[in-house]
Amino acid sequence: DTEVTQTPKHLVMGMTNKKSLKCEQHMGHRAMYWYKQKAKKPPELMFVYSYEKLSINESVPSRFSPECPNSSLLNLHLHALQPEDSALYLCASSRGRVDEKLFFGSGTQLSVL
Amino acid sequence: AQKVTQAQTEISVVEKEDVTLDCVYETRDTTYYLFWYKQPPSGELVFLIRRNSFDEQNEISGRYSWNFQKSTSSFNFTITASQVVDSAVYFCAPFNFGNEKLTFGTGTRLTIIP
Repeated sequence: DTEVTQTPKHLVMGMTNKKSLKCEQHMGHRAMYWYKQKAKKPPELMFVYSYEKLSINESVPSRFSPECPNSSLLNLHLHALQPEDSALYLCASSRGRVDEKLFFGSGTQLSVL
Repeated sequence: AQKVTQAQTEISVVEKEDVTLDCVYETRDTTYYLFWYKQPPSGELVFLIRRNSFDEQNEISGRYSWNFQKSTSSFNFTITASQVVDSAVYFCAPFNFGNEKLTFGTGTRLTIIP
């Protein structure tokens, strides 16, 4: 199984809603990532978890809250988002080091109204 | 400071033509990795290659080949005999060991016309 699975694929939420994005991998990878990608732009790193510990936080606003319950799961909790947060949110994993190749999920397309 | 440039925003070629995507990475670092990723319309990025800055040998994988020249800071990607399935956005992405970050270039949107 070489897949990274993200749910939901699409999400529409209001600015007062609370929602969560989920990511799962069963490759035994120990590093997991959240990226944000605006339309026609490259992906931008948000968070990195290494061995279930948050190792990189790219100064992301607190309305985005990551969680890594175990080595296979990665969540991104969303609260009080702004319309400019609308984007494709991509999850990725790597075996253990951040300089290794990344395996990406197909993303969650988020629209904030 | 480091800077990655993919000057070609969009390229269209007719199927079976060869196409080269350019990437220039300017840095004072002597050690780094350079990656290429492909993002098809389905959205997920797919790893294509990782190259060490000390390895300037060209690499070929099927219809794909990569030419790395440290002297010109270029890491170009050539698709031979292009196919419609090659249509995607291609990102060059350097990895910096100093801050342990992978930074994606702006990408080149490649369209293969049947």
